[in-house]
Amino acid sequence: QSVLTQPPSVSAAPGQKVTISCSGSSSNIGNNYVSWYQQLPGTAPKLLIYENNKRPSGIPDRFSGSKSGTSATLGITGLQTGDEAEYYCGTWYSSLSAYVFGTGTKVTVL
Amino acid sequence: QLQLQESGPGLVKPSETLSLTCTVSGGSISRSSYYWGWIRQPPGKGLEWIGSIYYSGSTYFNPSLKSRVSISVDTSKNQFSLKLSSVTAADTAVYYCAVMTGSTEFDYWGQGTLVTVSS
Repeated sequence: QSVLTQPPSVSAAPGQKVTISCSGSSSNIGNNYVSWYQQLPGTAPKLLIYENNKRPSGIPDRFSGSKSGTSATLGITGLQTGDEAEYYCGTWYSSLSAYVFGTGTKVTVL
Repeated sequence: QLQLQESGPGLVKPSETLSLTCTVSGGSISRSSYYWGWIRQPPGKGLEWIGSIYYSGSTYFNPSLKSRVSISVDTSKNQFSLKLSSVTAADTAVYYCAVMTGSTEFDYWGQGTLVTVSS
């Protein structure tokens, strides 16, 4: 069972915005960078956001990340059908010397 | 650009040892500061970090799997490997290899390989 909690699902119409939360503790999110990964059906996860709010080359600015205290948030604006995927947060868990992923959130475009 | 490719048996018997290899191309596995890792995903479930090995050889494991896991690097072949002992059906999953080249994010991933534990 993951120590990072995400909502199971979020949905919105094309063109709209969704946000996905990732809740942790001071031992993980509170003192470490958060990353976000997108997993399209049947494919490997892909890095979407790193160091809380940075986008790798090639990731559109429709995707954004933020962190406050022991929680992080992924935002997707201008929602497209191609954004339908599972999204995971991830961070280092200092006291366990372990990497942890969130429970995952399925994004559905209505 | 780094490319990673998992390889190994797709079927393992219960109580045996699962062995997978990740072949790295486009860069050296000995590159300073790189952090190589294994992640798995049971069918229909979320991602689970298994463990990682630092370029220096230091290893870190998921506490829930630590007693059964080992990860090693073969610099001559530019590969790193995973061994998971005493497997059960609960270890059936898609296994991914990945690497952290920056701070604490897995920025390059293999395509994944399905390993089924069954007699």
